[in-house]
Amino acid sequence: SAVISQKPSRDICQRGTSLTIQCQVDSQVTMMFWYRQQPGQSLTLIATANQGSEATYESGFVIDKFPISRPNLTFSTLTVSNMSPEDSSIYLCSVRGGVTYNEQFFGPGTRLTVL
Amino acid sequence: KQEVTQIPAALSVPEGENLVLNCSFTDSAIYNLQWFRQDPGKGLTSLLLIQSSQREQTSGRLNASLDKSSGRSTLYIAASQPGDSATYLCAVTQAGTALIFGKGTTLSVSS
Repeated sequence: SAVISQKPSRDICQRGTSLTIQCQVDSQVTMMFWYRQQPGQSLTLIATANQGSEATYESGFVIDKFPISRPNLTFSTLTVSNMSPEDSSIYLCSVRGGVTYNEQFFGPGTRLTVL
Repeated sequence: KQEVTQIPAALSVPEGENLVLNCSFTDSAIYNLQWFRQDPGKGLTSLLLIQSSQREQTSGRLNASLDKSSGRSTLYIAASQPGDSATYLCAVTQAGTALIFGKGTTLSVSS
């Protein structure tokens, strides 16, 4: 299985500021995914990040609000821009791997609180 | 549009009981189904992956079944322990998509 780390693990931010979350994987992967989990809710996919191309965003998520970088096959960043209290969530990075390359693994998450 | 439903939303059992968590999905054209465990405030741990061609997978005290034609999966936990207390999430993958999640079942096992 892939080992995924995220930084920071948690943060408390002021309204209107931006936070960049880093995701590091211990092996090269083609596709990386960013999810959001709002309080008491399940996970919602924000975007899919492929190395060397623009991220693909899901309905309701836009690049200006959640810019993503994918500079190589083991690293990605997600920025939450111009934050509001509604952005308070756990943000999770995920990759596909495993024996059949279609098992999905998740990082420990970044718990964001916006005041 | 694929929708994943998990029943019940919450479950409380005494230690030692066997239990079943249910997951249903509306579109049977899936690649696979995964069960995850999430502890409060933490990330997700993959428990079992069932390919669309498989009927079940087992890992220790966990057994997951898949009936693709009826759009259902179950996670069976044998001899439950307090350490099993967590939220259990079911998710499916389809062509060209990432995982689509249910809302989870929160399990509490009392000693």
